[in-house]
Amino acid sequence: QKEVEQDPGPLSVPEGAIVSLNCTYSNSAFQYFMWYRQYSRKGPELLMYTYSSGNKEDGRFTAQVDKSSKYISLFIRDSQPSDSATYLCAMSALGAGGSYIPTFGRGTSLIVHP
Amino acid sequence: EAGVTQFPSHSVIEKGQTVTLRCDPISGHDNLYWYRRVMGKEIKFLLHFVKESKQDESGMPNNRFLAERTGGTYSTLKVQPAELEDSGVYFCASSQDWGVGETQYFGPGTRLLVL
Repeated sequence: QKEVEQDPGPLSVPEGAIVSLNCTYSNSAFQYFMWYRQYSRKGPELLMYTYSSGNKEDGRFTAQVDKSSKYISLFIRDSQPSDSATYLCAMSALGAGGSYIPTFGRGTSLIVHP
Repeated sequence: EAGVTQFPSHSVIEKGQTVTLRCDPISGHDNLYWYRRVMGKEIKFLLHFVKESKQDESGMPNNRFLAERTGGTYSTLKVQPAELEDSGVYFCASSQDWGVGETQYFGPGTRLLVL
């Protein structure tokens, strides 16, 4: 079983839709949960992060963490064509080398069509 | 402010050859990370420098990979000799500090194809 599971999609939605992206994980030591956005031919860009269970909102984006279910979500409201990208979840725990190194999901490809 | 830059953007080499990838972190960032994404798989951590020292190299796949960061500025990742399974996208990231809440800024990656 992979440490982080994420459906690669693609997920295709019409402009204005609410998008729900999800990841599950198996390592209960993960403490820090992140969502990255990656446009084609670019590097991942940190969108949001959270430490604890619950919701965190930033504009049209809401990150949700449920540690009891080992499940995290990213919601995008009023989706726009410019939101079309690959969304990667990542989570980290203190590694053997003393660093908090993210463990990534495979990423979900999102297409928002006009 | 310039972001993380990587060179080259693409590299095509034959099995057995040597390739050197370069990463220039954001100015002032002491922490530099290398990651790799093999086709169809997740991005995986390779190693972490703090200034010129290797803080964590637990993700390096084998001794064909050598990373250096002389002077604590730019870093190079050498693959010698390259094998087919080394093909993928190599990302570099940098951060000012390191710890649970520190944001890592990623470069655009180097796409390596080993034939």
